Parts: sequence; C-alpha cells; structure tokens
Amino acid sequence: GESVGLHLPTLSVQEGDNSIINCAYSNSASDYFIWYKQESGKGPQFIIDIRSNMDKRQGQRVTVLLNKTVKHLSLQIAATQPGDSAVYFCADGEGRNTDKLIFGTGTRLQVFP
Amino acid sequence: KAGVTQTPRYLIKTRGQQVTLSCSPISGHRSVSWYQQTPGQGLQFLFEYFSETQRNKGNFPGRFSGRQFSNSRSEMNVSTLELGDSALYLCASSEQGTGNQPQHFGDGTRLSIL
Repeated sequence: GESVGLHLPTLSVQEGDNSIINCAYSNSASDYFIWYKQESGKGPQFIIDIRSNMDKRQGQRVTVLLNKTVKHLSLQIAATQPGDSAVYFCADGEGRNTDKLIFGTGTRLQVFP
Repeated sequence: KAGVTQTPRYLIKTRGQQVTLSCSPISGHRSVSWYQQTPGQGLQFLFEYFSETQRNKGNFPGRFSGRQFSNSRSEMNVSTLELGDSALYLCASSEQGTGNQPQHFGDGTRLSIL
C-alpha cells in the first residue's frame, strides 16, 4: 500500500533560523500534497498545498518543494519563530474526487531562543 | 466563517458501550472526512462523505460507521467499544471534495475508554 514517511521525528532549530522538514511518499500516482501544523490540544491546521504539476509553491514564510523524480516533499519555514513550535505532518491526497489523505508520522519542530 | 466544529470535546466510556460523535463542517462545505489519531498509529483515515453518500472507507472494522445529513453535518458511531478505540477523532471538511483542495480540521473529540 502507499505510505508517506518522514525522515526525522524531531527537529530543533534556533529562533530566526530557517527550518526544513522532509517527507517521502511512495505512490508515484499521487496528485496532491499538503502540509499541516498541529499544536497541542488542537486539530491539524492547513499550512500549504501543492499539486503534482508544480515543483514549488510559496506562502507566507513557508515554501513547499516537490521532487517527483525521487518522490520527496519538503517544507521550508523562513525565520523560524517560537510560535512555529508544533508537529508538522505531510499528507498525500489521492485526488480524483476523493478527499482521503494518507498522513506521514509527523515531525516535531522545537524552536529555542 | 466559523471553522469545523466537533462535539463533544471529551468523552469517557467503558468497554462494550457505544458512542456517537458529531461534526459540523464549515458553512458551504459539502465533503466531510473522519480520521483517528493515536500515538502509535498516527493519523488514519476512517471514512469520507459527500452529498450524504459514503465515498471512501478506511481499513477499520464494521464497528465504526458514519453518516452525513442533508445539511452536510456528519456523525460517526463506534459500537462495542474496545480499549484500543481510545484516540482523538478528527473531522475535516472541504468545499467540493475534489481531492485537490485543502481540507480543514476541527479540534477533535478525545475519546477515552476505561
């Protein structure tokens, strides 16, 4: 079956530095990818998404890169702030009129002063 | 616009009981999906509803069921509860359910089985 995996369970960065969170997926037919941020006691919060016909997409302080050749996805957070501390999940959307998402295991981002 | 609303926020049940969880999607959203989140298994897809029809189902036993109403609100039911059903149950909604637009999650219902 398809799976979405994360390389690192925990990432510690200094405030002001850039953060990079990586994710691998296995289904070459995957059409849609999405990143969520989950804070303690809350549900996942949408950060940014990207479709398979794109390589890069930018948001406010965040950039998602998609490398379909090696089935790799990354989330870059610029000038990381203490409020960015959370667990980050990538998810693979099967697309084609279904909202079913396959989630990765998550990476905990810790920001220290 | 109000976000996805899930009720109740917390529930405590005992083994063998059944439970019903409720989800109100964002106004205008027609697709509702449910996920189970546990420390061991992470976020796992339960099922998806669109226009009152179950469109997709995850790999969960038949004790897990759901439905969607004409106003897009959804409920999920778990019968004959087991200790392993203790989890955070999350509901997500999207506008068109096309699979290429973001889903927005509620804060979940924390279910504890004693």
